[in-house]
This record gives sequence, structure tokens and C-alpha cells, in this order.
Amino acid sequence: AQKITQTQPGMFVQEKEAVTLDCTYDTSDPSYGLFWYKQPSSGEMIFLIYQGSYDQQNATEGRYSLNFQKARKSANLVISASQLGDSAMYFCAMREGNQGGKLIFGQGTELSVKP
Amino acid sequence: NAGVTQTPKFQVLKTGQSMTLQCAQDMNHEYMSWYRQDPGMGLRLIHYSVGAGITDQGEVPNGYNVSRSTTEDFPLRLLSAAPSQTSVYFCASSYSGGSHLQETQYFGPGTRLLVL
Repeated sequence: AQKITQTQPGMFVQEKEAVTLDCTYDTSDPSYGLFWYKQPSSGEMIFLIYQGSYDQQNATEGRYSLNFQKARKSANLVISASQLGDSAMYFCAMREGNQGGKLIFGQGTELSVKP
Repeated sequence: NAGVTQTPKFQVLKTGQSMTLQCAQDMNHEYMSWYRQDPGMGLRLIHYSVGAGITDQGEVPNGYNVSRSTTEDFPLRLLSAAPSQTSVYFCASSYSGGSHLQETQYFGPGTRLLVL
């Protein structure tokens, strides 16, 4: 069973607008971590934001925020005030329990920002 | 502080050849991992290590070997390359313990492998 699901293969957003990238996950472990990574066309993987399963508040990092809905098992990434440089692939990933070094990735969403 | 480094950046192999992809980190991270990324897909875990001398299999380990003799290095060996192993390979490392945020994995730049 797929544990991380990103249902939007591609998305477009107008520059300066906000965009939400969807991510749902499946785990029976009460302790887990959720990550978002950005992969620009140059290929490197860039860490954006982290949400722990026990965190009471939604994570935020600059223009990135994570809309964490635990009961619905969703961890959507919100990018505010989109910039042309935000055009990239975005991956949601999960670490279960204390299994450090083991991330499960979704298939990614390709975001294109229009000027 | 170079972070996670990988060599080579690009490699072409013939079917049946063997090679080693190198990965090193200078952050004293205990966890290290190898992933592969195929077109249109997310990353899949090949092997990982929780410390020197300890390795374990991930989701797609067949055809690959690893060892971890030092904290810094985690080489990935292709025993007999096959066209199905054409992919981009990423090495990653992270802390263990502490806050969960400290377990964020940091990735190397990747190695593009083409097997003919």
C-alpha cells in the first residue's frame, strides 16, 4: 500500500499568489515525521520544512507552511507569494517511528509559476 | 563544511560491469542512506546505515551492496550493472536522537548512472 500519496502530478500558479500542494500519508505508528523537499531542474534535493506527529502547531519556514491535519492524515505544503524560482518538483516524505535514515517519498508534484 | 559529497557526478557503464559510487559527509551524522530516483518517480531507499558497521536493506536492495567502515563514508557498490539500474542515485545523511528535526536528511548532489 502506498504510504505517501501526492495526487497532483503538475500544478500552475500565478506569480505572487499562494499555492497548496497536497500530501496524504498512511501509517499506524503514532510517532512519525513529515518532510517536504524541493527539487529544482538542477537536480539537488533541498529540505524545506518538517512536521512531527506530536507537534501541536503547524510548521512554518518563511514563505512555506505545512497544513497538518492529523485526523485526515494530510500534510499539505502551502507556499505563499509564489516566485518564479519556486518552479520545481516538490516531494512529500515520511519517516516512521525512530527509523532514522529511512524516508518514504511520494511521487512528487511539479509546480510551475507563471509570470 | 562540505556537507554530503558524491562522486562521480555522471557515469556510463556497460551491462555486467561493476562500480562503486562514493558518498562522504563531514557533519558527523550517524545515519546515512542511498536512494535511487527514476524518471517521474520519487526517491526509493536502497540501503541505509545507522552507524559505522551497521547497515540494512531498504525497499530496492537487489543488485547493490554497501558497507560502513567509518562514520564519514558510505559507498554503494553495483555488483553487475544492468540497464534497469540506470537512474539518479542520491546519498543522504542525518543526525540520530535529539529532536526529530535534527533527523532531517541532507542530500548529496546525486550521481547520474547510465547502463548500456
